[in-house]
Amino acid sequence: KQEVTQIPAALSVPEGENLVLNCSFTDSAIYNLQWFRQDPGKGLTSLLLIQSSQREQTSGRLNASLDKSSGRSTLYIAASQPGDSATYLCAVKVSGSARQLTFGSGTQLTVLP
Amino acid sequence: GAGVSQSPRYKVAKRGQDVALRCDPISGHVSLFWYQQALGQGPEFLTYFQNEAQLDKSGLPSDRFFAERPEGSVSTLKIQRTQQEDSAVYLCASSSGRAGLSPLLAQYFGPGTRLTVL
Repeated sequence: KQEVTQIPAALSVPEGENLVLNCSFTDSAIYNLQWFRQDPGKGLTSLLLIQSSQREQTSGRLNASLDKSSGRSTLYIAASQPGDSATYLCAVKVSGSARQLTFGSGTQLTVLP
Repeated sequence: GAGVSQSPRYKVAKRGQDVALRCDPISGHVSLFWYQQALGQGPEFLTYFQNEAQLDKSGLPSDRFFAERPEGSVSTLKIQRTQQEDSAVYLCASSSGRAGLSPLLAQYFGPGTRLTVL
């Protein structure tokens, strides 16, 4: 059974810092990996989707990398801002089922002004 | 265009009551998913529809949970005889392709319904 782990569970940084969020998964047979943002009381907003054949994706200040063989992904946030404060979730779509996502428990990020 | 919408946004139920949660997917999206998110946890898969067909319900925690999508658009998740452990946020997501043929497509999530069972 696929298990997804995110470290750290919570992170607090001063504004302007670059930071890295980590995600690991136990089954490397994945179709894709997706990073989401969740604000309190809100749904999930998709940030980046990396296909299994890709190594990284970039959007603005965000860069996500994928090392499928080692079961790891990182989300890099450059020049963090207070508005980046949220919970960040990673999720993998596993080969075979090709349907549901398996999520980690998230990293709660606080960027201090 | 409109995203995925869910109603109600908040629901408080007394233990033993039945509840119905509604999801309106993005127009034309073939695939629809329900997830359950407990406090402090990531969402967990409940069930999947391709058009009106429920192809996977392996994540439903008990036979008190029932989902339908009779016309292949709007979906309803029903929970009978609610229990306190059912308290969670219920998220709906849709995707434009048939999951089996287009596993690479992203899922788009609604805002969720927060269910509190007293």
